[in-house]
Amino acid sequence: DTEVTQTPKHLVMGMTNKKSLKCEQHMGHRAMYWYKQKAKKPPELMFVYSYEKLSINESVPSRFSPECPNSSLLNLHLHALQPEDSALYLCASSQDLGIQETQYFGPGTRLLVL
Amino acid sequence: AQTVTQSQPEMSVQEAETVTLSCTYDTSENNYYLFWYKQPPSRQMILVIRQEAYKQQNATENRFSVNFQKAAKSFSLKISDSQLGDTAMYFCAFMKPWGAGKSTFGDGTTLTVKP
Repeated sequence: DTEVTQTPKHLVMGMTNKKSLKCEQHMGHRAMYWYKQKAKKPPELMFVYSYEKLSINESVPSRFSPECPNSSLLNLHLHALQPEDSALYLCASSQDLGIQETQYFGPGTRLLVL
Repeated sequence: AQTVTQSQPEMSVQEAETVTLSCTYDTSENNYYLFWYKQPPSRQMILVIRQEAYKQQNATENRFSVNFQKAAKSFSLKISDSQLGDTAMYFCAFMKPWGAGKSTFGDGTTLTVKP
């Protein structure tokens, strides 16, 4: 099973809402990632978790709050977002943080902030 | 800091023909990995092919092959016998040692395969 799943597929939220994105993998991978992707642009790294600990935070605003409850799950909690946060949010996983490791991407959550 | 440049924002190719996507990068590292990822419209990103900098032999995966020129810091992707399903955005990516999983992506090339 080489699948990374993400829910929901689409999300519309107001600037005062609180919502969460969920990502799951059952490949036994120990590294998980959140990316933000605007249309026709490359993914921008937001967070990296390794062995359930936050490894990288790319200076992401605090209105984005990641959580890794266990080795298979990665959440992204959203609060007080801005319209410019509308984007495709991609989750990915890899065996570990080695340079040879392929990242497996989920289908993404398309977020619209009104 | 590493940079990855894909100089062709858009390309098109006729079905069954061959197309080459270019990628150049800049780094002072001696060992690293290079990747090509494919992102079809409204579908998830998948790995196409990868190359270790220490390996001189160019990587191949079925119809996909790379031309890795380490001295020139060039890593182009050749797609042979193009198929309609190859229509996608293609990203070149660089991973350095001790990068903690952080990849540097190029801006992407949108490839359209025409029937």
